[in-house]
Amino acid sequence: QVQLVESGGGVVQPGRSLRLSCTASGFTLSDYSLHWVRQAPGKGLEWVAVLSYDGSNKYYADSVKDRFTISRDSSKKTLYLQMNSLRAEDTAVYYCARVNGTYSLYLAYWGQGTLVTVSS
Amino acid sequence: EVVMTQSPVTLSVSPGEGATLSCRASQSIRNGLAWYQQKPGQAPRLLIYDASARATGIPARFSGSGSGTEFTLTISSLQSEDFAVYYCQQYNNWPLWTFGQGTKVEIK
Repeated sequence: QVQLVESGGGVVQPGRSLRLSCTASGFTLSDYSLHWVRQAPGKGLEWVAVLSYDGSNKYYADSVKDRFTISRDSSKKTLYLQMNSLRAEDTAVYYCARVNGTYSLYLAYWGQGTLVTVSS
Repeated sequence: EVVMTQSPVTLSVSPGEGATLSCRASQSIRNGLAWYQQKPGQAPRLLIYDASARATGIPARFSGSGSGTEFTLTISSLQSEDFAVYYCQQYNNWPLWTFGQGTKVEIK
């Protein structure tokens, strides 16, 4: 069955970088668009970024544009989120999520999340 | 950017009663709306997509309606496992996906 497992979270100082990973199983990465969604402590969900199924398109929320980069390594069945110039307001649980079908736009499968804390 | 506004912020309901949650879009999103349920310490779970279609395995007591700018999630008879936070999300205006701020359904 479809499974998504995030890793790479931790405590990082403001201005530093961190790379999150999302390891997928039960499907082929190149068949589905994959998203990152985050949730600050005690707050709601915020969409962060998407990588289209064919890898040709990447889109970002304004809050992370030019600082975060979404990518994948299909051979490793892994989605990444490279986060640079981190700020305190980037502190959140980061979820990776998969759309339902190749051309779907809603998020049918979610990982359990990984916590990123930006603090000095 | 399409702004999604959910109401109420908190809904107090007794088990067995029904609940109606609202979600309003700042511009028309046709039927490009999903509802998610999130329990403490868990990832969100898809309930409804395309405004009214139930996701796989979702009980029939959950139903969605609406189009354009006004949407509703109805839970016909709340079970203990339904007390959670519910989020709406629009995807019609991709490539910018936006969530509502959430409605917490709590036990009365």
